[in-house]
Amino acid sequence: AQSVTQPDARVTVSEGASLQLRCKYSYSGTPYLFWYVQYPRQGLQLLLKYYSGDPVVQGVNGFEAEFSKSNSSFHLRKASVHWSDSAVYFCALSAGVVGQLTFGSGTRLQVYA
Amino acid sequence: EAAVTQSPRNKVTVTGGNVTLSCRQTNSHNYMYWYRQDTGHGLRLIHYSYGAGNLQIGDVPDGYKATRTTQEDFFLLLELASPSQTSLYFCASSDRDIYAEQFFGPGTRLTVL
Repeated sequence: AQSVTQPDARVTVSEGASLQLRCKYSYSGTPYLFWYVQYPRQGLQLLLKYYSGDPVVQGVNGFEAEFSKSNSSFHLRKASVHWSDSAVYFCALSAGVVGQLTFGSGTRLQVYA
Repeated sequence: EAAVTQSPRNKVTVTGGNVTLSCRQTNSHNYMYWYRQDTGHGLRLIHYSYGAGNLQIGDVPDGYKATRTTQEDFFLLLELASPSQTSLYFCASSDRDIYAEQFFGPGTRLTVL
């Protein structure tokens, strides 16, 4: 069985600061990894995804994530956050079965001016 | 543009009540999903389908039924609603691809009194 852990339920940063949201996974095989974002009163939207190749993957709105097999991690980063980045961020894993995503519990990001 | 719509957006019912949540996608996707979102748990898969007439059991199916009547329409049924089913429900759709992005609807907030 697989699992995804997002250890930080809430993160607060000032506008313009850098950001890292942590994601750890547990899975014995090669995972497909995703980051989704949920803005208030909306459904989830894909930020980026990774399966193989360069461990640093670029996403939308300046987000990137780095895969580490040795650490079983897939952390999300952004160099300079904007107030509009305030949202809930979910890390998710697919074990290779179509449609079956395992989500982490989410990290609520608040960006203050 | 791809679209997933859900109705109703909000629903209040009483314990033992009968509830149907509706989802329609215009993405021409094969796969559709029902999730529930609860604080501390992220999103959990209830049921999913890979085509009209098909139904697959997810991770938390107890107390829920689902029907896929067409490629576009997927319904979630709560025949004897309980307070434990108070939650935010999301529908999603995707292509038949392990690496495919899931497109989410805006969600239905269900309260069972």
